[in-house]
Amino acid sequence: ETGVTQTPRHLVMGMTNKKSLKCEQHLGHNAMYWYKQSAKKPLELMFVYSLEERVENNSVPSRFSPECPNSSHLFLHLHTLQPEDSALYLCASSQVVGGDTQYFGPGTRLTVL
Amino acid sequence: DQQVKQNSPSLSVQEGRISILNCDYTNSMFDYFLWYKKYPAEGPTFLISISSIKDKNEDGRFTVFLNKSAKHLSLHIVPSQPGDSAVYFCAASQFYGGSQGNLIFGKGTKLSVKP
Repeated sequence: ETGVTQTPRHLVMGMTNKKSLKCEQHLGHNAMYWYKQSAKKPLELMFVYSLEERVENNSVPSRFSPECPNSSHLFLHLHTLQPEDSALYLCASSQVVGGDTQYFGPGTRLTVL
Repeated sequence: DQQVKQNSPSLSVQEGRISILNCDYTNSMFDYFLWYKKYPAEGPTFLISISSIKDKNEDGRFTVFLNKSAKHLSLHIVPSQPGDSAVYFCAASQFYGGSQGNLIFGKGTKLSVKP
């Protein structure tokens, strides 16, 4: 089982749809993260969870809603997205929250029509 | 304002030669530095890291050098191989910063290794 898995790998949705991205880590880590990667921009940190509690929300619009039911699973619920939200969404995990080495999943390529 | 900068968006190197990727940072509180490698349609893969108590860390063909006074780090790949062609991201953090110490990434440098 690979370290961090994400599903789906590709998602196309309309602006009125509701969808969810799923992330699962098999590394026994305590912290999980959502990042957004847009073309020609640095990775943007969206949400940070430590032991299932959200510790950071970097001014992300409310149309993105994270959920962390346990330390191995992380979801990103999407609703009424905009075309500019099209990007690669990456999940990562680390042993402890913050500056520790993070291990990334393969990402979900999201296209909003 | 970008705290981690990779000023070269791309680099082309001949197979067998050395690849040198550079990264500059502005925050003197950073004490942990990492390099990630990313292939298209995949997530970044952790490559190598260095703590601020060291100035060099080596792992096989990959060596990271840290110059704290210049706030500069570099990744050396020698010898370069075509499979090394990817985007390389530099990242920095305050290792014990808790939720305030999250990784800060540069924009990446695309390395092309030509056979």
